[in-house]
Amino acid sequence: EVQLVESGGGLVQPGGSLRLSCAASGFTFSSNWMSWVRQAPGKGLEWVANIKQDGSEKHHVDSVKGRFTISRDNAKNSLYLQMNSLRAEDTAMYYCARRIAATATGGYFQHWGQGTLVTVSS
Amino acid sequence: QSVLTQPPSVSGAPGQRVTISCTGSSSNIGAGYDVYWYQQLPGTAPKVLMSGNSNRPSGVPDRFSGSKSGTSASLAITGLQAEDEADYYCQSYDISLSSWVFGGGTKLTVL
Repeated sequence: EVQLVESGGGLVQPGGSLRLSCAASGFTFSSNWMSWVRQAPGKGLEWVANIKQDGSEKHHVDSVKGRFTISRDNAKNSLYLQMNSLRAEDTAMYYCARRIAATATGGYFQHWGQGTLVTVSS
Repeated sequence: QSVLTQPPSVSGAPGQRVTISCTGSSSNIGAGYDVYWYQQLPGTAPKVLMSGNSNRPSGVPDRFSGSKSGTSASLAITGLQAEDEADYYCQSYDISLSSWVFGGGTKLTVL
């Protein structure tokens, strides 16, 4: 059974930093693109970042470029999201997701974790 | 404002049929990118409902069906059940934005 378990969320002040983690199991982690998707309270879904199987290719949504960095450790079956210079508008539930795609573009998010809540507030 | 447009809400009585539309443009659905649908039950993570426009993952009832035409797609649910009450999202890829995009979501209410 595929399991994705996020951790690392919490309350942080504007301008602060947070590192999210996602522990994966039940599939060959190193063979899959992985992603982060977020959902602000009461709002819709927003893709945040993708990372290729070997970490050689990364994509981030424009609103987080230069502030957030996706990374992975295949030896630990873990995905990470380093979030710096946090803003109030980054407040959201952050989901780790397994991306299924034949190419670098397209594809979808086949499995999702339960999410970890990030609140940016003073 | 979402790149993919969905109606904010739809409703139907048990047993009825409802459809949820997802309207995009020539830079996403119209560019040939597949559309995917997710169901999000209250307080839970999204779950894939439809992949590759019209393919149901294992475990998804055949009451759910998807289609795509031109720059739009739609999700149809027949034989509505109370357990179908949830938020539904469409998703594709936008080549102009170089970004994976979602619709704003549609809240389905079973009357």
